[in-house]
This record gives sequence, C-alpha cells and structure tokens, in this order.
Amino acid sequence: DTAVSQTPKYLVTQMGNDKSIKCEQNLGHDTMYWYKQDSKKFLKIMFSYNNKELIINETVPNRFSPKSPDKAHLNLHINSLELGDSAVYFCASSQEADTQYFGPGTRLTVL
Amino acid sequence: ELKVEQNPLFLSMQEGKNYTIYCNYSTTSDRLYWYRQDPGKSLESLFVLLSNGAVKQEGRLMASLDTKARLSTLHITAAVHDLSATYFCAVDMGVQKLVFGQGTRLTINP
Repeated sequence: DTAVSQTPKYLVTQMGNDKSIKCEQNLGHDTMYWYKQDSKKFLKIMFSYNNKELIINETVPNRFSPKSPDKAHLNLHINSLELGDSAVYFCASSQEADTQYFGPGTRLTVL
Repeated sequence: ELKVEQNPLFLSMQEGKNYTIYCNYSTTSDRLYWYRQDPGKSLESLFVLLSNGAVKQEGRLMASLDTKARLSTLHITAAVHDLSATYFCAVDMGVQKLVFGQGTRLTINP
C-alpha cells in the first residue's frame, strides 16, 4: 500500500563504484522527482520527469543519470561514486502542481 | 535565483506556548508548501497554499501566505511534544520545481 517506495533504504559502498536507486509510485501521478538531502538537512531538487520526459535537470554532475521506464518508475544511477555523494536521496511524485509525495529515502554512504 | 529563507532555524519552546515560523522568498511565486520531517524519516505534506491571502489550519498548526510580501508563516498554537520535528517551507518556481528553505528544527519541551 506504500504510495512512493524506494529501494534500497540504505546503501553503503566504496568510492568509484556505480550504484542505482529505484523508485516506484502507485498513486497514478504523472510527475516524479529526485531530491538530495545533505548532512545539514538541506533539500535540493535534482531531476523531474513527466510521463517519461525529462523536465527538470538541475546542475548535477553527469555521473548522475535518471531513467524513467514508465510513468510509475524513476530510477537514479550514479557512476564513479565520490565521498561528496553521501546523502539521503528522496524520490517524490505529484499530479501536476499538486502536493509532492515523498518516498522513505535512501541513505547513501560512500566510504 | 530564488532564495527561500526560514526563521528561526532552531526553536525550543515549552508545551502550551504559541510560536510562529517565518518563510521569506526572493522572487514571485503564488504556490507554497509546508512539510514536516521527523528524524530519520521522510517528508510529510502539511499544507499547500495556492494564492495570496490563503490560510489553512490543521489542528494546532495554521499556515498563511502573503505573496505581495513574499512571506508565509506557520503558526503553532498551544504546542505539544508531538509537534517536535523539522519544518520546511518550499516555493514553487514553476514546472513544479520546489526550492526548499533551510528547515526549522522545532523542539517542544514538557
């Protein structure tokens, strides 16, 4: 019954590795987002997709690549992980400009 | 570039007291959101304010929006311990791009 789900919940990995985070929403929303929350709790949008089309692409390293196979899924792939990538990554979804519903978050730790 | 500033960033208060969190933003927008985040948890939507003068209330929380002043407030009435959390405001820049404030960490002591 979870509206927005993410896997994994925790991700611990070494510098230089490649990893993916998956997100799924069962709310029937058209738009999905990725946010990064740093250690100071500051939240910043990274990407958004509307019906599989990239809408927002903030200034993030091109090591980060979102992929939306369908409108219910938005995955985030990160290449060549760096220490500074350690953060909590939240997926969210919304129907147009309505409230954005957030997933539980994925805590990424890069060692 | 839109800046969203919350004030105060930390707030410790006694149960039963009233207080207000302020959210100022630097460019025009008529859509503002308030979220709550408990430690180690996700963000929970509290209010969506869609126009100038909008006021919404839920329990002990009331939010308002003044688009001319570029200011939103979140008022807490007769605080209880369960309201301890971090509160974020977020302003829609268009195309549902939300810019978040720094968050206000609220601690309510018995």
